[in-house]
Amino acid sequence: SQQGEEDPQALSIQEGENATMNCSYKTSINNLQWYRQNSGRGLVHLILIRSNEREKHSGRLRVTLDTSKKSSSLLITASRAADTASYFCATDGGILFSGGYNKLIFGAGTRLAVHP
Amino acid sequence: DAGVIQSPRHEVTEMGQEVTLRCKPISGHDYLFWYRQTMMRGLELLIYFNNNVPIDDSGMPEDRFSAKMPNASFSTLKIQPSEPRDSAVYFCASSVDPGQGVPSPLHFGNGTRLTVT
Repeated sequence: SQQGEEDPQALSIQEGENATMNCSYKTSINNLQWYRQNSGRGLVHLILIRSNEREKHSGRLRVTLDTSKKSSSLLITASRAADTASYFCATDGGILFSGGYNKLIFGAGTRLAVHP
Repeated sequence: DAGVIQSPRHEVTEMGQEVTLRCKPISGHDYLFWYRQTMMRGLELLIYFNNNVPIDDSGMPEDRFSAKMPNASFSTLKIQPSEPRDSAVYFCASSVDPGQGVPSPLHFGNGTRLTVT
């Protein structure tokens, strides 16, 4: 079952534009992560935001988290053709296992196409 | 660091045959995960191990699926007998023990694309 729901399902933009992807989830969380998946490859971790954080930056990436609305957004600024990929949010469902590991549940993803 | 290594990259088999997927996690990682990705269901967690011990296999769809981790550097996912609906991309991922309250990202392999005809 999917915890996160990304919106939009697909996004097409020109190089240099900003891309915003949204994620909504259903249960409480300890943290939320964003991953990127290039075609034919595995997922790559981009950024993690904890439930007590509201915003986080990493290079051209900006992630926000609103726990009251159970939603997060990923902003990619000044997009490049190399940013073309699928982007997934993943949440832990608020579950904390004894070993400290939070089992991740992934959303369906947003397919981003950046055109030169 | 070679990353998580999966083999084979592609597997085509006939219904009823046994399929074995292999994974070598990143050295030093304590957790290993098997995920399945399909268009219809997205990414599903099948099973995960901690220090070679299966912790949660609630995502394994049926008894036809089994997973083992005989040592810290190797895991297999076996499907026997395989069915067309098992066609998907199977990912292995690993991560380090995060420590108390510290989440850790997953490192994914490039997957095995399984086609069952």
